[in-house]
Amino acid sequence: GAVVSQHPSWVICKSGTSVKIECRSLDFQATTMFWYRQFPKQSLMLMATSNEGSKATYEQGVEKDKFLINHASLTLSTLTVTSAHPEDSSFYICSARALDLGAMGGYTFGSGTRLTVV
Amino acid sequence: RKEVEQDPGPFNVPEGATVAFNCTYSNSASQSFFWYRQDCRKEPKLLMSVYSSGNEDGRFTAQLNRASQYISLLIRDSKLSDSATYLCVVTLNTGGFKTIFGAGTRLFVKA
Repeated sequence: GAVVSQHPSWVICKSGTSVKIECRSLDFQATTMFWYRQFPKQSLMLMATSNEGSKATYEQGVEKDKFLINHASLTLSTLTVTSAHPEDSSFYICSARALDLGAMGGYTFGSGTRLTVV
Repeated sequence: RKEVEQDPGPFNVPEGATVAFNCTYSNSASQSFFWYRQDCRKEPKLLMSVYSSGNEDGRFTAQLNRASQYISLLIRDSKLSDSATYLCVVTLNTGGFKTIFGAGTRLFVKA
């Protein structure tokens, strides 16, 4: 089945530094990848939609200059949290949908990145 | 009103019980429906898609009522390993696919 590889699984960084998270679709091409954030005991919240070869679409309230998204190829999308602050500490998850699964194909998620900013 | 609403939970049930999760969605143009399972500190994983005619996979039964904009998941003979958060997921195509997650319902199955 469709697999999305996400890394790192966890990262601890100092306040003010930047962190890059990568998501790769291993056995399918993902023209669109979604980036979510999940705070403890809350549901996933869509941050942005990453489209291969074009600018990402950000959800309302998500700062595009802070969360930089690059989707340079059909198999790789990256999210960079710039100048991270403690309030950015969260669980970040990417997901993609394998087009060949049709309209009823579910979304495949990366394993998530737990970011802690100290 | 939230776009996707689920039972707030948590549900605490004994092993062997039957438990039902309910979900409603607000956009009648919603196209695809799914139930995902998320274990603590893990990514969500697809449990099952929900088809218009209803579908069953072992102990799990999913149903869709488009007229009422309602989705359900039934778990029979619940196991300890069923303990997780169950997420109702709806997709729309509004010029691009949009996926909306419910807040999830936590299930605790106890021995």
